[in-house]
Amino acid sequence: KAGVTQTPRYLIKTRGQQVTLSCSPISGHRSVSWYQQTPGQGLQFLFEYFSETQRNKGNFPGRFSGRQFSNSRSEMNVSTLELGDSALYLCASSLDGASGNTIYFGEGSWLTVV
Amino acid sequence: GEDVEQSLFLSVREGDSSVINCTYTDSSSTYLYWYKQEPGAGLQLLTYIFSNMDMKQDQRLTVLLNKKDKHLSLRIADTQTGDSAIYFCAESIKGAAGNKLTFGGGTRVLVKP
Repeated sequence: KAGVTQTPRYLIKTRGQQVTLSCSPISGHRSVSWYQQTPGQGLQFLFEYFSETQRNKGNFPGRFSGRQFSNSRSEMNVSTLELGDSALYLCASSLDGASGNTIYFGEGSWLTVV
Repeated sequence: GEDVEQSLFLSVREGDSSVINCTYTDSSSTYLYWYKQEPGAGLQLLTYIFSNMDMKQDQRLTVLLNKKDKHLSLRIADTQTGDSAIYFCAESIKGAAGNKLTFGGGTRVLVKP
């Protein structure tokens, strides 16, 4: 079956703009979480959604937001982009988000802010 | 609190065994994961273990867990050039809503022919 699909794979934005990234989880998976990966900070948890509700949130400013749709697809949005937002954004899906679920990641969306 | 530590780099000859180490600090029941990341790619789940287990084996991969020392290792037998990648260990707290993973900084493994 298809894995976790993220779009777009690569994008370049200008400071001050906003960006929306999309994630389609594995079929049947209802939990979607997002991570930011940078060389300096490593992999950091952004937030997690289950049944269209945000259940957990990492330590990121309010410019980072997300949502989940009834078909479990998720989007994350970053507003007023800063240079430091340049990163690989990874989406992960699992069955119901309970600990011990296998957690699968997509290929990521590479965001460059110039 | 949660903190996961890994060594930065490992160099190994093709055909030898690789051992990647990880320490975690959270005392709660936890699941521990190993992921592999190749250049330009996402994270590939290799295996995971619950903290009440000592060992898990899956083909060339063996995970060992020392609960007393909160030390986790991933052994790759007969290492191949295709195993060159960054390996991340990650911790997920049992019972925590949202299945949040806390990652180590990653170990870069270089396999020399």
